[in-house]
Amino acid sequence: DAKTTQPPSMDCAEGRAANLPCNHSTISGNEYVYWYRQIHSQGPQYIIHGLKNNETNEMASLIITEDRKSSTLILPHATLRDTAVYYCIVRVAHTGTASKLTFGTGTRLQVTL
Amino acid sequence: DAMVIQNPRYQVTQFGKPVTLSCSQTLNHNVMYWYQQKSSQAPKLLFHYYDKDFNNEADTPDNFQSRRPNTSFCFLDIRSPGLGDAAMYLCATSRALAVGETQYFGPGTRLLVL
Repeated sequence: DAKTTQPPSMDCAEGRAANLPCNHSTISGNEYVYWYRQIHSQGPQYIIHGLKNNETNEMASLIITEDRKSSTLILPHATLRDTAVYYCIVRVAHTGTASKLTFGTGTRLQVTL
Repeated sequence: DAMVIQNPRYQVTQFGKPVTLSCSQTLNHNVMYWYQQKSSQAPKLLFHYYDKDFNNEADTPDNFQSRRPNTSFCFLDIRSPGLGDAAMYLCATSRALAVGETQYFGPGTRLLVL
């Protein structure tokens, strides 16, 4: 699976959009981009994933560049409860196989008043 | 509503005393995973079960074993815990039926070794 690079930490004011970047310049054509987050002392929580197209769900939006070498997770209106470590993970996804995750160091997002 | 349940949330054991952590799921997923997360580090996969097939990661110490008696339950056994095994242990599940399938994590069990 391709490796990812994320800034170690970011701050965001409550109510503003949080834009978390991820670099995955060695991504292969069949690798998906996944985002998980881990709030302190809890298990990781799935946020969103995508292959080529931009994706949006009730939690966030995922913007993937045309060359797929980087992506941005957008939390449109960050709240204090969004304070967490955000992990960008790139992996191949095949039908009928386990979806093993290799976590990098992630970005620690601190949302402030 | 709990989908992946881990008990207990906190476990204290003595150095060298075998300990078992448990995980159960109500999702009927065919894959179950165990991750180890040490303080200030990212989770690290130890092994997983695909149905009844056990799949160990290459660098998982022999001290760590697992059992899956049925679809719903999976256990992590640490045969002789050392001080370095103190960590959060996370159980996760997924289906292996669809491309792009995600993992669902439990709340974790924090293990303290005295």
